[in-house]
Amino acid sequence: GAGVSQTPSNKVTEKGKYVELRCDPISGHTALYWYRQSLGQGPEFLIYFQGTGAADDSGLPNDRFFAVRPEGSVSTLKIQRTERGDSAVYLCASSSRDSREQFFGPGTRLTVL
Amino acid sequence: GENVEQHPSTLSVQEGDSAVIKCTYSDSASNYFPWYKQELGKRPQLIIDIRSNVGEKKDQRIAVTLNKTAKHFSLHITETQPEDSAVYFCAAPPLIWGAGTKLIIKP
Repeated sequence: GAGVSQTPSNKVTEKGKYVELRCDPISGHTALYWYRQSLGQGPEFLIYFQGTGAADDSGLPNDRFFAVRPEGSVSTLKIQRTERGDSAVYLCASSSRDSREQFFGPGTRLTVL
Repeated sequence: GENVEQHPSTLSVQEGDSAVIKCTYSDSASNYFPWYKQELGKRPQLIIDIRSNVGEKKDQRIAVTLNKTAKHFSLHITETQPEDSAVYFCAAPPLIWGAGTKLIIKP
């Protein structure tokens, strides 16, 4: 079956602009996670959803970051007034109700110029 | 706060030898400990995991051991092969991930 997909694969934007990153989890997976990963580092947790609600958003760095999952499937990570320090690979993962294994998408590489 | 410390940051071993990567965690409530492998430019993929009610789990050349008293768990890879070269991450998910170990297999 289809795995986790993310769009776009690459996004280049200018400082101060708004961006949206999309994640399509594996069908039927109830949990969805957003991470960001800088070169040479481990994934940094941002937020995770259980169904439509954010179960834990403690990793969002500031109020410029926001994520939604209105129907409990697709999720969008929104970043306002982007800064150069936001440049990273943004990873999405999903897991089923019965397993804690996280399946990752290919990531979106965000570059803020 | 909660964290996971992973060592070493880089590990170079001769092909055929064993590799061991260790992680120490701080949250006593953690009860699930996965290991992920990430090849260059690719997404992380689960290779093995262990739950706190067992001390060791093995899958072919890969094993994970858990010491809950000492709060550490280790990844063991035996008979290493070139395709084992990658970055390996431990985690106390979903929040906390180790910084990664770059494993280099020398031919």
